[in-house]
Amino acid sequence: DIQMTQSPSSLSASVGDRVTITCRASQDIKNYLAWIQQKPGKAPKSLIFAASNLQSGVPSKFSGSGSGTHFTLTISSLQPEDFATYYCQQYGTYPRTFGGGTRVEIQ
Amino acid sequence: EVQLVESGGGLVQPGQSLRLSCAASGFSLSSFWMNWVRQAPGKGLEWVANIKEDGSEKYYVDSVKGRFTISRDTANNLLYLQMNNLRVEDTAVYYCARGSGIALWGQGTLVTVSS
Repeated sequence: DIQMTQSPSSLSASVGDRVTITCRASQDIKNYLAWIQQKPGKAPKSLIFAASNLQSGVPSKFSGSGSGTHFTLTISSLQPEDFATYYCQQYGTYPRTFGGGTRVEIQ
Repeated sequence: EVQLVESGGGLVQPGQSLRLSCAASGFSLSSFWMNWVRQAPGKGLEWVANIKEDGSEKYYVDSVKGRFTISRDTANNLLYLQMNNLRVEDTAVYYCARGSGIALWGQGTLVTVSS
């Protein structure tokens, strides 16, 4: 199975900060990488597919990059509604696997 | 409105069965890969199974192979997850989700396996 490793596992940031989360795959997944946001007690919401493409309706402050084994999610200017847990997921091979999550908290 | 609504969760004892349903609206299940993803209490997301648009391919995580079956009713636009021989470690919120690269999630249904 492909292991997805996210770093950091948690971070504290302030409103207006630029935040970057990293996701590494244990094998080459090309660009079959998604980023997902989940707020406490809520269903997940997909942000990005194919490593760098925004899902419909997702604001442009979110951006994704990378290919192969190294990927990043960047939030350009953190807002109160962005405090959540973020997961990466590979969908290039089976079983599909998720990273362990990065919890973004208010500093 | 494009949405997914799960149902069928509940409390069962180990070894028992449960069938989850996911009602799709605003689109046809026949046009998308469909997934089940679960989340144990306080834990991260775990992909469980998916089914191809035409139903010709199905895939499962190893921990549920032989116990869970994904299926669909295209006439009624329903996705199912038949779960047999449930274990305590299957306790989770189960989400149905649309797409090979998931784009749409349901709100989830809680399955609790406990004696």
